[in-house]
Amino acid sequence: NAGVMQNPRHLVRRRGQEARLRCSPMKGHSHVYWYRQLPEEGLKFMVYLQKENIIDESGMPKERFSAEFPKEGPSILRIQQVVRGDSAAYFCASSSGQESYEQYFGPGTRLTVT
Amino acid sequence: AQSVTQLDSQVPVFEEAPVELRCNYSSSVSVYLFWYVQYPNQGLQLLLKYLSGSTLVKGINGFEAEFNKSQTSFHLRKPSVHISDTAEYFCAALGAGSYQLTFGKGTKLSVIP
Repeated sequence: NAGVMQNPRHLVRRRGQEARLRCSPMKGHSHVYWYRQLPEEGLKFMVYLQKENIIDESGMPKERFSAEFPKEGPSILRIQQVVRGDSAAYFCASSSGQESYEQYFGPGTRLTVT
Repeated sequence: AQSVTQLDSQVPVFEEAPVELRCNYSSSVSVYLFWYVQYPNQGLQLLLKYLSGSTLVKGINGFEAEFNKSQTSFHLRKPSVHISDTAEYFCAALGAGSYQLTFGKGTKLSVIP
């Protein structure tokens, strides 16, 4: 019974490159949430998606960041033209949707921008 | 909207001693409250949650927390800590009907042998 999967676990990008972070929710879960953890900070909500729909992206920077959760395949968080300030741990969580308080977290992707 | 304050950024404690990690919240609506643990370079694991009912909540690894509505607090306690409890602990709130977890900044618990 696999939990939430994220890959890669570690990602190094040079400034200006693109970063793609993947999240496969738990089996049976169709709701995905992305959170960002900056150094010495708690997690901050970025975006909430259901299959093929963005429900709330109020926590996501307006430029360079996008997210999708296609009908088939994992959810993708995409960061274009990365800058050093994007260095952080990005966590994905999933829920069945019926009880959103039960959010199960993945191990995270640690992005380092050099 | 909710906010969560964890009053201590670091808590050192000797092995087998008791520990309390403090958490206060504010919210304009009723909330659900959570404690998560994060071991180095790992994801978040749910320790316990308060949804309703009894204000004393028991979780995994011998942890418990008490919801105090008048004090707007949800402090985490363990009567006797082990070396393996060394980790960062996050308090989080979820407003009723919402889906955005609001996290505190975390408390790093260091257990000293």
